[in-house]
Amino acid sequence: GEDVEQSLFLSVREGDSSVINCTYTDSSSTYLYWYKQEPGAGLQLLTYIFSNMDMKQDQRLTVLLNKKDKHLSLRIADTQTGDSAIYFCAEGREGNNRLAFGKGNQVVVIP
Amino acid sequence: DGGITQSPKYLFRKEGQNVTLSCEQNLNHDAMYWYRQDPGQGLRLIYYSQIVNDFQKGDIAEGYSVSREKKESFPLTVTSAQKNPTAFYLCASSLERGDGYTFGSGTRLTVV
Repeated sequence: GEDVEQSLFLSVREGDSSVINCTYTDSSSTYLYWYKQEPGAGLQLLTYIFSNMDMKQDQRLTVLLNKKDKHLSLRIADTQTGDSAIYFCAEGREGNNRLAFGKGNQVVVIP
Repeated sequence: DGGITQSPKYLFRKEGQNVTLSCEQNLNHDAMYWYRQDPGQGLRLIYYSQIVNDFQKGDIAEGYSVSREKKESFPLTVTSAQKNPTAFYLCASSLERGDGYTFGSGTRLTVV
């Protein structure tokens, strides 16, 4: 079955790196996503990674995938105050449009 | 610009009333979804539709109803049977796996 777990809260100083973690249970997952939600807004797709990849880098964002441990992480380099948000990981399977979302991880950036 | 629009942004409802939340997309996406978000509980799937004139219940469908008469539109009705309707409601759409979902900006429903 699908079950995605995230820790709930992270505080980080501006300029430091943030690392948000996520674990999932469905070994048939094909795609893994990271979404960002700012207060009172919808979710914005940040990045995604295919399950046959170990790492993906996109500017300040680095996604690491450990398929053996079913562990996904998002690293934000040089964290800015605008990075304060809730971050959701989500996983999906080929042939199934439904994504399974984690409960989200609130990141607070301290100036 | 293509996108997904939810309206209204804020909605107030008296107890015992039905209300309908609008969701419209011009992305030509086949699939559309409704989620409910409560503090600390993440997203919970209410209903989803993969094609016009077809939809399926999600994890918390009780007290809600939907229709999908047009590809672009997927309205959600919160009925009086929903005992705790105050929440933030998010609509999303998707084309196919790999693109992820595109979300609307949400509707905050408050029962007064």
